[in-house]
Amino acid sequence: SQQGEEDPQALSIQEGENATMNCSYKTSINNLQWYRQNSGRGLVHLILIRSNEREKHSGRLRVTLDTSKKSSSLLITASRAADTASYFCATAPDSNYKLTFGKGTLLTVNP
Amino acid sequence: SQTIHQWPATLVQPVGSPLSLECTVEGTSNPNLYWYRQAAGRGLQLLFYSVGIGQISSEVPQNLSASRPQDRQFILSSKKLLLSDSGFYLCAWSKTTRSEAFFGQGTRLTVV
Repeated sequence: SQQGEEDPQALSIQEGENATMNCSYKTSINNLQWYRQNSGRGLVHLILIRSNEREKHSGRLRVTLDTSKKSSSLLITASRAADTASYFCATAPDSNYKLTFGKGTLLTVNP
Repeated sequence: SQTIHQWPATLVQPVGSPLSLECTVEGTSNPNLYWYRQAAGRGLQLLFYSVGIGQISSEVPQNLSASRPQDRQFILSSKKLLLSDSGFYLCAWSKTTRSEAFFGQGTRLTVV
């Protein structure tokens, strides 16, 4: 079963705009991770945020984590056409070794 | 640096035929290894994970199996493929049980 659920399922924006994707999860976690997948390719790790962190930045990426609400958000600022991809959150639970993924958000950035 | 190799990239197999997908990791030792399956337009389903040689945890039944004959080799197998086994299979590794995962390029399996 899916641990994380991303929202929205699809997002279409213009180049230069910001894109925000959300992830909700169900159980206690050790950390939460965001990945990117270009069509037909493997996933690429973007950022990891630990359960005791609230916000993390990496370049144009900003991730927040609210463990009380069991939710996370990924913000991509000043988007580019090359950011077009599917974005997944993955949770690493406290209780086991499974890294489980949501269904992803398909982001389309129009030039 | 560490690299992960997964092959083949694409595979078309008839129903009832066997399957063997191989994944190897280079440049690290005792990695945690994962097999995922992704249906078209869907998320990733965890199939198997391994924290060491001979230690395989299964998340899904029956028609698929996994083996780890060497520290950095992970094999996904089936004795008889079903149509429902079609999908995009991804191998991944991580340094520790909860660290970031690094993915192979995937195998597109079509069962006909």
